[in-house]
Amino acid sequence: DAKTTQPNSMESNEEEPVHLPCNHSTISGTDYIHWYRQLPSQGPEYVIHGLTSNVNNRMASLAIAEDRKSSTLILHRATLRDAAVYYCILRDGMYSGGGADGLTFGKGTHLIIQP
Amino acid sequence: KAGVTQTPRYLIKTRGQQVTLSCSPISGHRSVSWYQQTPGQGLQFLFEYFSETQRNKGNFPGRFSGRQFSNSRSEMNVSTLELGDSALYLCASSLVGGANVLTFGAGSRLTVL
Repeated sequence: DAKTTQPNSMESNEEEPVHLPCNHSTISGTDYIHWYRQLPSQGPEYVIHGLTSNVNNRMASLAIAEDRKSSTLILHRATLRDAAVYYCILRDGMYSGGGADGLTFGKGTHLIIQP
Repeated sequence: KAGVTQTPRYLIKTRGQQVTLSCSPISGHRSVSWYQQTPGQGLQFLFEYFSETQRNKGNFPGRFSGRQFSNSRSEMNVSTLELGDSALYLCASSLVGGANVLTFGAGSRLTVL
């Protein structure tokens, strides 16, 4: 089973910020928090990942709680093209050979953007 | 650099047949994982291969199998196809270690009639 929990769906308006939450209360000290998204009719694509500190890239920001038991993906200004399913997973940074937990995605959050 | 390539992109089979899907990872990526996605479902993990060895397997029947070659290319096979096997099959490749991201292919859409 996935080690993360996410809301099934969220709705936001275009050009407004979106905060997508993810709970991972059993996270270990070496787990990286990864976010991926899947646009309609496409394979998932990488969005952002981090370990302890907040991270920013051209797509989004990742805010990690101080106790690391939750994180939030922030889309600063949502567009219609951001409508997708967003997945949050944990991947063990110490494990070099794989690990099914770090490959179990669950159902993610279906983000709906209203024009 | 080239992305993850999956072939074929679309295929139609009938019940009882078998199918083989191929995945060519990004050069240098030795971990390849496979997923099944059906309408309304998330990504369901099938199995992962690393250095030609199956490291992890999801909760799927033995009809689903795979292998990885020395060049890291991977194939998955589904035997005795059932209607419920109709799905999008995705593969992803990565460098080893949880700090490294997964790169997905576009998927192979299988329809079983």
